[in-house]
Amino acid sequence: QLQLQESGSGLVKPSQTLSLTCAVSGGSISSGAYSWSWIRQPPGKGLEWIGYVYHSGATYYNTSLESRATISIDTSKNQFSLRLSSVTAADTAVYYCARGGLTAYEYWGQGTLVTVSS
Amino acid sequence: DIVMTQSPDSLAVSLGERATINCKSSQSVLYSSNNENHLAWYQQKPGQPPKLLIYWAATRESGVPDRFSGSGSGTDFTLTISSLQAEDVAVYYCQQYYTTPPTFGGGTKVEIK
Repeated sequence: QLQLQESGSGLVKPSQTLSLTCAVSGGSISSGAYSWSWIRQPPGKGLEWIGYVYHSGATYYNTSLESRATISIDTSKNQFSLRLSSVTAADTAVYYCARGGLTAYEYWGQGTLVTVSS
Repeated sequence: DIVMTQSPDSLAVSLGERATINCKSSQSVLYSSNNENHLAWYQQKPGQPPKLLIYWAATRESGVPDRFSGSGSGTDFTLTISSLQAEDVAVYYCQQYYTTPPTFGGGTKVEIK
């Protein structure tokens, strides 16, 4: 059974960079033609796709993030990462990693709350 | 971007009664090459990640009770809970995976009347 687990900074100061990692276990991040996504959910609100990465390293991003997001993949560690620069309070959210993109999201991490505050 | 619009925002249904949630996409999500609708439904309970219920608009994920069903094609879709159980209280989201960016509906909160 595939499992995903987010880790990273839970509190980030405004204008700084948010960094999160998603560790994948129970399967190889390099297998199949899957994409690996980051999705976020502000408190009490809906789901927003941030972007995804393929095992090749190809990436796609939500244009609403204005190029602040960078997603990378490390196949040797079976994990992928998100960096979001110049954060503001509007970036406060639960951040999820998930497998999928142009497929349904079958597997999700438990999510990690990131708060942007000074 | 494809805009996904769900209705209603919330609904209260008696135990054992039917719950119906609608989802409309701003353009068709029916992919001609595989004749599939690239539409999924998720259930999210408080403090948990979304759980995939339905994909290809009408295919139940393994382990999902058969009281959950999906229907529709093109731009109009429905999630039906045929006999609401207490454990079905949650927020439900539709999502299109027809094109990038994948987009979600705003969610429908289901409660017990």
